[in-house]
Amino acid sequence: DSGVTQTPKHLITATGQRVTLRCSPRSGDLSVYWYQQSLDQGLQFLIQYYNGEERAKGNILERFSAQQFPDLHSELNLSSLELGDSALYFCASSPRHGGAVDTQYFGPGTRLTVL
Amino acid sequence: EDKVVQSPLSLVVHEGDTVTLNCSYEVTNFRSLLWYKQEKKAPTFLFMLTSSGIEKKSGRLSSILDKKELFSILNITATQTGDSAIYLCAVLIQGAQKLVFGQGTRLTINP
Repeated sequence: DSGVTQTPKHLITATGQRVTLRCSPRSGDLSVYWYQQSLDQGLQFLIQYYNGEERAKGNILERFSAQQFPDLHSELNLSSLELGDSALYFCASSPRHGGAVDTQYFGPGTRLTVL
Repeated sequence: EDKVVQSPLSLVVHEGDTVTLNCSYEVTNFRSLLWYKQEKKAPTFLFMLTSSGIEKKSGRLSSILDKKELFSILNITATQTGDSAIYLCAVLIQGAQKLVFGQGTRLTINP
């Protein structure tokens, strides 16, 4: 158990819908990262937040957005869902902003299925 | 474009064998290289390597980084069925603060 929690575990929804995935980092960790893992693309970095501010952006679609709240939990919002958005979405946390001495601890993931 | 390539993609061996997994990278601004083990769900951290030539060891697992040739290897000796998993290599990009992952190596240990 990494100490990172994610809800829900599974989510099934229809195309065109909007969903929110939630992540609580390990106690004391300031950075939160979101990743998408699909069968054909592997693990892809989406976005990072550090202490409430966006820090780095990866391959995140414009239909997706995220935020980190004052209590450091984070939410990833996915809208206008398409079949291709079906994937496992991981959240990871690290103590600081991803420097060389930090590692990232992954949550159990949310499996999103878009029908 | 930052790229991390792992080989082989899949490996099946017998319990007790030794395996070597490879990870090569081409990135703009290398900070460190990480190895993860992914079983059913979330990747779990194994090693972080920042300096060349220094072996990191944890039980039967060890890893080393070669920053000149831009690769790392992960060795597992005396493999056990519990080592069956996908092993992911990732490079932390300095500045961008993002991890770029390889495709993973699916390791299967048969009894």
